[in-house]
Amino acid sequence: DIQMTQSPSVLSASVGDRVTLSCKASQNINKNLDWYQQKLGEAPKLLIYFTNNLQTGIPSRFSGSGSGTDYTLTISSLQPEDVATYYCYQYNSGTWTFGGGTKLELK
Amino acid sequence: QVQLKESGPGLVQPSQTLSLTCTVSGLSLTSNSVSWIRQPPGKGLEWMGVIWSNGGTDYNSAIKSRLSISRDTSKSQVFLKMNSLQTEDTAMYFCAGTTGYVMDAWGQGASVTVSS
Repeated sequence: DIQMTQSPSVLSASVGDRVTLSCKASQNINKNLDWYQQKLGEAPKLLIYFTNNLQTGIPSRFSGSGSGTDYTLTISSLQPEDVATYYCYQYNSGTWTFGGGTKLELK
Repeated sequence: QVQLKESGPGLVQPSQTLSLTCTVSGLSLTSNSVSWIRQPPGKGLEWMGVIWSNGGTDYNSAIKSRLSISRDTSKSQVFLKMNSLQTEDTAMYFCAGTTGYVMDAWGQGASVTVSS
């Protein structure tokens, strides 16, 4: 199965910062990657699908990029409501798999 | 508006079978797929399996031998059954409406504890 590694596991940033979260696949996943946001006590919410497509209703400060094995979620200007854990997720082949998550905190 | 709601027993004894129901509204099971995902307390997400709009299924290879997903389209319900439960199966279990391969609408989750 494809392994997904997210870094860092915890990220502290200030309001207004540009934040970059990374996700690396153990093999080429052909951009078949989504990003989910999970706030404490809530179900995950889809942010980005197929690497760089913003889900309806998601603020434009969120963006995704990448190809091959390396993918990135960027928040252009961090807001207090963005405090959450973020998961990447691949559905290229075999058993679909999530990364271990990046917990985003306010500094 | 698409809504999904999981239901089932909160407590299951070790070695027993877990049965969960996902009741959906606002989407047709013959046009949309439904996935199951679980999350142990304080840990990350694990994709369990999917039932496609055509009724076919795919499962996580790690739990495939214990897992079954089915549906009743007339009742807009999807079912998860997993046998031989152990304490490590204690988790929040989510169902999610799936468009293509994208899980774009999630239920609130059902908490399951495996304990005697």
